[in-house]
Amino acid sequence: AQTVTQSQPEMSVQEAETVTLSCTYDTSESDYYLFWYKQPPSRQMILVIRQEAYKQQNATENRFSVNFQKAAKSFSLKISDSQLGDAAMYFCAYDGVGETSGSRLTFGEGTQLTVNP
Amino acid sequence: NAGVTQTPKFQVLKTGQSMTLQCAQDMNHEYMSWYRQDPGMGLRLIHYSVGAGITDQGEVPNGYNVSRSTTEDFPLRLLSAAPSQTSVYFCASSRDAAYGYTFGSGTRLTVV
Repeated sequence: AQTVTQSQPEMSVQEAETVTLSCTYDTSESDYYLFWYKQPPSRQMILVIRQEAYKQQNATENRFSVNFQKAAKSFSLKISDSQLGDAAMYFCAYDGVGETSGSRLTFGEGTQLTVNP
Repeated sequence: NAGVTQTPKFQVLKTGQSMTLQCAQDMNHEYMSWYRQDPGMGLRLIHYSVGAGITDQGEVPNGYNVSRSTTEDFPLRLLSAAPSQTSVYFCASSRDAAYGYTFGSGTRLTVV
């Protein structure tokens, strides 16, 4: 079974600075998808960024980028120019490929990010 | 707006009562799934479906039933509520993992 681990229960960053959230995972598959989701106090789950394992290039979405190290099974999220609105719980998640792809996400425990003005 | 609609948003049950959490999506997604969120544990998969008429168990299925008679709807039934089922429940749908998942706004359930 796949597992996802987020070893930082809490992180804080000053507004306008950069922060990196860590995520490691365990799988025996060679192809899969990885995601970062943001959960603000509203409770809504918001997709931040996704990465396909067979793509070597790290995904980027505006101020959000990932450092995907497939051999090390590491998938960290970098937030540049942090804004107050970035304060939220961040979840790393894994999905495989195949018949059930799209229906079975495995989540990490989450990292609570605080942004200080 | 297109998306995943969950009802109710909040619910209090007494131990032993049954109820159904509703989930509907209007994006014609084949894949749907239910998760529960507990503090310090992230979200855990309860049941999932890869299409109408096809469902299967996830990581924590005990005490829950699902059915998928239409593409749009995927209700979650609590058969006999227990305090251990106090949690926040999320429904999600997806066209394919490559496109990511769309989540509902969640249901906060308290069992007393």
